Amino acid sequence: QITLKESGPTLVKPTQTLTLTCTFSGFSLSTSGVGVGWIRQPPGKALEWLALIYWNDDKRYSPSLKTRLTITKDTSKNQVVLTMTNIDPVDTATYYCAHSKAGHWYFDLWGRGTLVTVSS
Amino acid sequence: DIQMTQSPSTLSASVGDRVTITCRASQSISTWLAWYQQKPGQAPNLLIYKASDLESGVPSRFSGSGSGTEFTLTISSLQPDDFATYYCQQYNFYSQGTFGQGTKVEIK
Repeated sequence: QITLKESGPTLVKPTQTLTLTCTFSGFSLSTSGVGVGWIRQPPGKALEWLALIYWNDDKRYSPSLKTRLTITKDTSKNQVVLTMTNIDPVDTATYYCAHSKAGHWYFDLWGRGTLVTVSS
Repeated sequence: DIQMTQSPSTLSASVGDRVTITCRASQSISTWLAWYQQKPGQAPNLLIYKASDLESGVPSRFSGSGSGTEFTLTISSLQPDDFATYYCQQYNFYSQGTFGQGTKVEIK
């Protein structure tokens, strides 16, 4: 059974760096074709695709956020980490991580999400 | 960047109605399109992938069609559990994914 869980701070001050961790089980990020992505959703708004890392360490980023995002993986810990620099109140959102199964690049399984509020 | 545009933004319908949601891509994406359902306070749930393939466990009243730039999600007979927000997403290995802005299906 595949599960994913997001963790990180619930409150961040503007200009700080946000670090979120996705801890997963039920699959390995060393399996060919597998990926883990991050998606966010501001309160009452639409989903926004942020970043995705593949089994081979290939990475994709949203063009509009590329300069602020870094996605990394720790295969031994079954974790994927997303860092976002220079945080702003508009980055207040629920952040989800999700599994992309081998050979497919949509998200078939999602974590429950973690709400991050940016405020001074 | 590929932009995804859904219509309508909101849809009012009754139980038993046939419902169709449209998603348009700013350039051809072949059939690399997924549909998700999201209920308040929950994570999205995958319904359809590769434009028309039904995810395991999803009721057969959901169907998807289209290719290139125009896609549709159809609910053949709307059920009380189907009142939710629906998102399309284009995906491919070589670049970033993009979600549509969502379609909220409300009770009429």
